[in-house]
Amino acid sequence: GAGVSQSPSNKVTEKGKDVELRCDPISGHTALYWYRQSLGQGLEFLIYFQGNSAPDKSGLPSDRFSAERTGGSVSTLTIQRTQQEDSAVYLCASSLAGRNTEAFFGQGTRLTVV
Amino acid sequence: AQSVAQPEDQVNVAEGNPLTVKCTYSVSGNPYLFWYVQYPNRGLQFLLKYITGDNLVKGSYGFEAEFNKSQTSFHLKKPSALVSDSALYFCAVRVNNAGNMLTFGGGTRLMVKP
Repeated sequence: GAGVSQSPSNKVTEKGKDVELRCDPISGHTALYWYRQSLGQGLEFLIYFQGNSAPDKSGLPSDRFSAERTGGSVSTLTIQRTQQEDSAVYLCASSLAGRNTEAFFGQGTRLTVV
Repeated sequence: AQSVAQPEDQVNVAEGNPLTVKCTYSVSGNPYLFWYVQYPNRGLQFLLKYITGDNLVKGSYGFEAEFNKSQTSFHLKKPSALVSDSALYFCAVRVNNAGNMLTFGGGTRLMVKP
């Protein structure tokens, strides 16, 4: 596709269940970011992948959160034992490797934990 | 550490009037600065960026931004606001000697009234 694709667009899950969120970046983009946005507020950085380098996981809020990026392309963000405070929109972005390049965002996954 | 501040949670302006959305940054190194816009229930869209050169940068939808190194600011401007400009605006920064981390401000909601 032409843009960053995220799935599902909406996810409702019961407290305590695990969820997986998927991100398909733009082809050729080596950098991939995950952010979390609550109630139309600011963006909270979660994790960043760049090529084959070790990911920057400094933004993950707890050990219930993890992310993988397979083959330098698709990424999956996994939240284990979901809590109500995990409810938010999870945004994925990708960019080329250079620091002067803009990131392109997907439409996000709205996660609701009930 | 790099950081971005958007001091106004909301900016109100009448249609046809000029608008300014403020952004200041704190980095150790030369910054690359970006503006994004988010319309309701949508992902973030890239507006413009400052990399080097001319301090006045022109972007999409008639927006422009001025890089001011002495004031560490990168305010977003538009000469004549439209009701359709009403949205959430985010400023972001990367530093040229700090990896590829893209750090966002807290966002400013722009309300343009007819």
